[in-house]
Amino acid sequence: QVQLQESGPGLVKPSQTLSLICTVSGASITSDAYYWSWIRQHPGKGLEWIGYIYYSGSTSYNPSLKSRLSISLDTSNNQFSLKLTSVTAADTAVYYCARDSDDYTGNYYLDYWGQGTLVTVSS
Amino acid sequence: DIQMTQSPSSLSASVGDRVTITCRASQSISNYLNWYQQKQGKAPKLLIYGVSSFHSGVPSRFSGSGSGTDFTLTISSLHPEDFAIYYCQQSYSSPRTFGQGTKVEIK
Repeated sequence: QVQLQESGPGLVKPSQTLSLICTVSGASITSDAYYWSWIRQHPGKGLEWIGYIYYSGSTSYNPSLKSRLSISLDTSNNQFSLKLTSVTAADTAVYYCARDSDDYTGNYYLDYWGQGTLVTVSS
Repeated sequence: DIQMTQSPSSLSASVGDRVTITCRASQSISNYLNWYQQKQGKAPKLLIYGVSSFHSGVPSRFSGSGSGTDFTLTISSLHPEDFAIYYCQQSYSSPRTFGQGTKVEIK
């Protein structure tokens, strides 16, 4: 059974770096069958795709966050992580990690999600 | 970026009703369209991928259709557990954008 779990500080000060880890069980992040994604949801709002990383280390980022964003793999612990620098109150959101699978037609979908973690940016 | 527009933004329906949610893409996305369900305080769950394929465990009362720019999610007979917010998402190009969501409420 595939499970993902986000972890990290729930409170980050403005201008600092938001760092989250997603721990994966039941699937290997070194598999070439999946991408590993981050998505966020501002309070009371819709879903925003942040970016993903592939087992090879290649990444794709939302252009709106690209200059501040880094996603990386920790294969020894079957984890992947998100770092978002220079945060502001606008980065306050629930952050989800998810597995991104493909249906072999080129379509990718988020089939397993973590429970989400609320990160508040405030002094 | 490809814009995904859902309609309606919200609807009220009764148990047993047939419900249809529409998702329109700002350009053709072929069949790279997925639907998710999110209940209050929970993570989204995948319902349908590739326009019309069911994710494991999804009841057959859910169905998806469409192609190109126009897509629909239909719930043939609404169950109490179906009251939630539904999102479409395209994976045709990066960034993988979501629709703004459709809230299905109890009438």
